[in-house]
Amino acid sequence: AQSVTQLDSQVPVFEEAPVELRCNYSSSVSVYLFWYVQYPNQGLQLLLKYLSGSTLVKGINGFEAEFNKSQTSFHLRKPSVHISDTAEYFCAVSSPTDSWGKLQFGAGTQVVVTP
Amino acid sequence: GAGVSQTPSNKVTEKGKYVELRCDPISGHTALYWYRQSLGQGPEFLIYFQGTGAADDSGLPNDRFFAVRPEGSVSTLKIQRTERGDSAVYLCASSRGLAGGTDTQYFGPGTRLTVL
Repeated sequence: AQSVTQLDSQVPVFEEAPVELRCNYSSSVSVYLFWYVQYPNQGLQLLLKYLSGSTLVKGINGFEAEFNKSQTSFHLRKPSVHISDTAEYFCAVSSPTDSWGKLQFGAGTQVVVTP
Repeated sequence: GAGVSQTPSNKVTEKGKYVELRCDPISGHTALYWYRQSLGQGPEFLIYFQGTGAADDSGLPNDRFFAVRPEGSVSTLKIQRTERGDSAVYLCASSRGLAGGTDTQYFGPGTRLTVL
């Protein structure tokens, strides 16, 4: 079984500043890693995913994440945020040895971007 | 349709009543998932369908919860004898069902269930 820890429940950030959202996972097997975003009153939307290969993954809206196997982390970054990036961000993990696509989510990080 | 749709968007019921929540997946998606999101928490897996069959129902909390997908498209999540602790947003997602769980899950807007 695997679990996901998002270390920050809320991250305030000024517009045009960089942001990093931290995600750590625990698993005894190889995993797939995902970041989803939930805008107010909308469904979850995939930002990016790591399946294999290059540890730096680029996603939509200028976001990227780096998979670090030794630290069991998958932190999300954006070099310059916009007001429209205000949303809740969820890290998730699945395992190829588990049932297909069964995602285990973290508790989420609320990002609040202010001018 | 263009995306995953869920009906109703809001459901208020009384303790002990029966409720049904509906999910219409993206056309052609063979895999369908139900999750539950309680306030302040991330989504929690409930059940996963591949076609008409429930491939993994390990997340259903107890036998009051049941889900069906009789024709491999629309799915209904059924909750009997609702309890106040069932109050949450119920999310549905669908995907193409590619091998190994590598494909993207597309989520609907959810149904907010409130049990009084």
